[in-house]
Amino acid sequence: DAKTTQPPSMDCAEGRAANLPCNHSTISGNEYVYWYRQIHSQGPQYIIHGLKNNETNEMASLIITEDRKSSTLILPHATLRDTAVYYCIVRVEQAGTALIFGKGTTLSVSS
Amino acid sequence: NAGVTQTPKFQVLKTGQSMTLQCAQDMNHEYMSWYRQDPGMGLRLIHYSVGAGITDQGEVPNGYNVSRSTTEDFPLRLLSAAPSQTSVYFCASRPPGRTYGYTFGSGTRLTVV
Repeated sequence: DAKTTQPPSMDCAEGRAANLPCNHSTISGNEYVYWYRQIHSQGPQYIIHGLKNNETNEMASLIITEDRKSSTLILPHATLRDTAVYYCIVRVEQAGTALIFGKGTTLSVSS
Repeated sequence: NAGVTQTPKFQVLKTGQSMTLQCAQDMNHEYMSWYRQDPGMGLRLIHYSVGAGITDQGEVPNGYNVSRSTTEDFPLRLLSAAPSQTSVYFCASRPPGRTYGYTFGSGTRLTVV
């Protein structure tokens, strides 16, 4: 699976959009970009994933650059409850594999 | 659906003792995984399974055994507990296919003294 690079920490004001970047410059054509988050020692929570098109769901939006070498997770209106560690994971979707987590970005949302 | 259920939630073991951490899911998910998370650290993959009867090692398998006799259950066995195995253990599951993310349990907090 391709290596990802995320900033160790970010701050965001409550109500503002949180834009979390992820660099995956060695991504290959069949690798998906997944985002998970972990809120204060709870089990990680799946947020969103995509291959090359931008994706949106009720939690967030995922913007993948045209060359697929980087992506941005957008929380449109961050709340205090969005304070968490956010993990960007790039992997091939095939049988016989499992998620490998990196260090992630600690997002702190403040009022 | 109860989702992914892990038991016990908390456990204290003495060095050298053995125990089994239970993980059960009622979503008929074929893929299941075990992770450990040490204080202030990220998650590391211990073992995983892509279906009943099929298991494989992850990043840190030493000191742990798994088996998968049913789709629902994926127990993790500590053979001889060591203080270095003090950690929070998470189990996760998902269906096969490209459109799904993993569902994680709430974790088992294990202390080995």
